Amino acid sequence: DARVTQTPRDKVTEMGQEVTMRCQPILGHNTVFWYRQTMMQGLELLAYFRNRAPLDDSGMPKDRFSAEMPDATLATLKIQPSEPRDSAVYFCASAWGAGTEAFFGQGTRLTVV
Amino acid sequence: KNQVEQSPQSLIILEGKNCTLQCNYTVSPFSNLRWYKQDTGRGPVSLTIMTFSENTKSNGRYTATLDADTKQSSLHITASQLSDSASYICVVSPYNQGGKLIFGQGTELSVKP
Repeated sequence: DARVTQTPRDKVTEMGQEVTMRCQPILGHNTVFWYRQTMMQGLELLAYFRNRAPLDDSGMPKDRFSAEMPDATLATLKIQPSEPRDSAVYFCASAWGAGTEAFFGQGTRLTVV
Repeated sequence: KNQVEQSPQSLIILEGKNCTLQCNYTVSPFSNLRWYKQDTGRGPVSLTIMTFSENTKSNGRYTATLDADTKQSSLHITASQLSDSASYICVVSPYNQGGKLIFGQGTELSVKP
């Protein structure tokens, strides 16, 4: 069953707490994207990786957000400390190279109170 | 100004009717233009991918067109079904930026019986 898996599906946390979101890309895909979706902004690119190396993380607030790929089967997005304005749905997507279809996970709905 | 703009923001049609969604973009040069469908609470799913040299691409009842000269694309849905109710998002991938995707705000389509 080839699909992008994200955990957790939902997360409610208090302001100031650390949040870690995980993504398992489709096996064999070498490109991983992290997006954030809000009603106001739509889908915004936070960061993306090719062969586990970050290609672009300019969309990510560097002071509190960090994205890594410890290995080819796991991508993480961490927020520390979290703030209420971080409340959104965070999507991970994977693809093989550039110009090919990107497959999205189901998203992690984050609520920071 | 958004690099990818879609219209209308929302649309209500009756089941069985056709509709056309519009996308204007300023991203240039670009590698490809995609249309995604996003059901409520789920990740986006790719409908079509067109390179800059393609004019049209079909996927069942969905037909996308691309005019690279005017930087416009459209998504035509034929014989709409209730299950077509979703957000339709136009996405442009800039040339030589490693597969980066720039999303429009989407058109919210509601198909009524």
